[in-house]
Amino acid sequence: SAVISQKPSRDICQRGTSLTIQCQVDSQVTMMFWYRQQPGQSLTLIATANQGSEATYESGFVIDKFPISRPNLTFSTLTVSNMSPEDSSIYLCSGATGVGFQQYFGPGTRLTVT
Amino acid sequence: GQQVMQIPQYQHVQEGEDFTTYCNSSTTLSNIQWYKQRPGGHPVFLIQLVKSGEVKKQKRLTFQFGEAKKNSSLHITATQTTDVGTYFCAGKNNAGNMLTFGGGTRLMVKP
Repeated sequence: SAVISQKPSRDICQRGTSLTIQCQVDSQVTMMFWYRQQPGQSLTLIATANQGSEATYESGFVIDKFPISRPNLTFSTLTVSNMSPEDSSIYLCSGATGVGFQQYFGPGTRLTVT
Repeated sequence: GQQVMQIPQYQHVQEGEDFTTYCNSSTTLSNIQWYKQRPGGHPVFLIQLVKSGEVKKQKRLTFQFGEAKKNSSLHITATQTTDVGTYFCAGKNNAGNMLTFGGGTRLMVKP
């Protein structure tokens, strides 16, 4: 299995500010993804982080709000910009390996916006 | 777009009882994956099913993939308190590399 680390593990931020979440994966990973999970809910894919190019965003998510970088194969960042209380959630990074793209998740970042 | 529905949403069982969660996709899948998320934790990959009609077992857990590759189930025999958590199915179709997660089934086990 792949090892995924993520930081910060949690943060409390003020409305209107931005937070950058970092994700580090081991070298087995070929693809990286960012998800959002509201407490007690399922996972919603924000975007696929593409190495050296713009991320591929899912419907409802835009680059201006959630800029993503992936400068190399094993590292990615997600920024939550101009935060509002509605952005309070758990943000999860995942890495996929293998032909079937089974995913391995980081421990998550619990974000609270006040 | 592809939708993956999962039932039930919640299940309370007495320790020792069996448990089953069902997953249905609106489209044919190339594979289906199952994940377990413990309270306060992150999803952990359990298994992947690829072939039509495939059945796989992991100790007390039995996973099935339907003949039409649009549905799947996870059955736990004789639940234990360590089985507590939310079980998610996730379907992958032939187009693209993303997974679509079901809503999850939250399992609670009374000792």
